[in-house]
Amino acid sequence: AQSVTQLGSHVSVSEGALVLLRCNYSSSVPPYLFWYVQYPNQGLQLLLKYTSAATLVKGINGFEAEFKKSETSFHLTKPSAHMSDAAEYFCASGSARQLTFGSGTQLTVLP
Amino acid sequence: NAGVTQTPKFQVLKTGQSMTLQCAQDMNHNSMYWYRQDPGMGLRLIYYSASEGTTDKGEVPNGYNVSRLNKREFSLRLESAAPSQTSVYFCASSEDGGPGGDTQYFGPGTRLTVL
Repeated sequence: AQSVTQLGSHVSVSEGALVLLRCNYSSSVPPYLFWYVQYPNQGLQLLLKYTSAATLVKGINGFEAEFKKSETSFHLTKPSAHMSDAAEYFCASGSARQLTFGSGTQLTVLP
Repeated sequence: NAGVTQTPKFQVLKTGQSMTLQCAQDMNHNSMYWYRQDPGMGLRLIYYSASEGTTDKGEVPNGYNVSRLNKREFSLRLESAAPSQTSVYFCASSEDGGPGGDTQYFGPGTRLTVL
C-alpha cells in the first residue's frame, strides 16, 4: 500500500521568507503526485500536479515542487511567503485506483 | 459553474440516527468520491464511483453506504450513526477513470457531529 509522509504538522515562516513543506512518498513506481491547499472552512484546491512530464512542477500562487525519484520526495516551495498563504497543505500520491493523502501541514505566516 | 456542491453544511445527530449527505457536480465528470477528514489523519477515502452505475469501497467504508443516483449526484448514507463518525466529509469529482491520476475537485464539506 502507498503511504505519504509530510514532515512537520505545523510550519511557521515570516512574511517574505522561503516556504518549504516536505513530502515523501512510498511507491515502487513513479506515482502521480499532487499538492492541495485547504483554506479555513473550505474544501481542497489543487496547487500543482506531477505527471512525469517534468521534474519541476509550477503551480498556482507562485508555488512549485520538485520530484526527486532518488529521494522519493516531492517538496513544495515558494520563494517569498505572503499572509494569504496561511492554510493547510496536503501532499497526495495516486496510482491507478487509489489516491493517498498525507496528514497535512498547517502553514502559519507571521507578519 | 457551481463545481461540487454538498448539503447540508452542518449536521448534529444522536447515536443511532440515520442521515444522507448529498453531493452534486456540474462539470460532467465521470468519477465521484467521498472522503472523511479527521485531525492529523489527512483525508481517507470512504467510497468512490468511477462511473455512473458503479461504486467501490475505499479505505474506510464500514458504517457507510453510497448511491450514484446519476452522473451528477453521489450520496453518502449513515444508517446508524456512531460517535466515531464525527468528522468533516468531503465529496470530490474527477473527469475520468478512478482516483489515482486525475485532478480531483472538492466540495466545501459537511461537518457532522454525532453525540
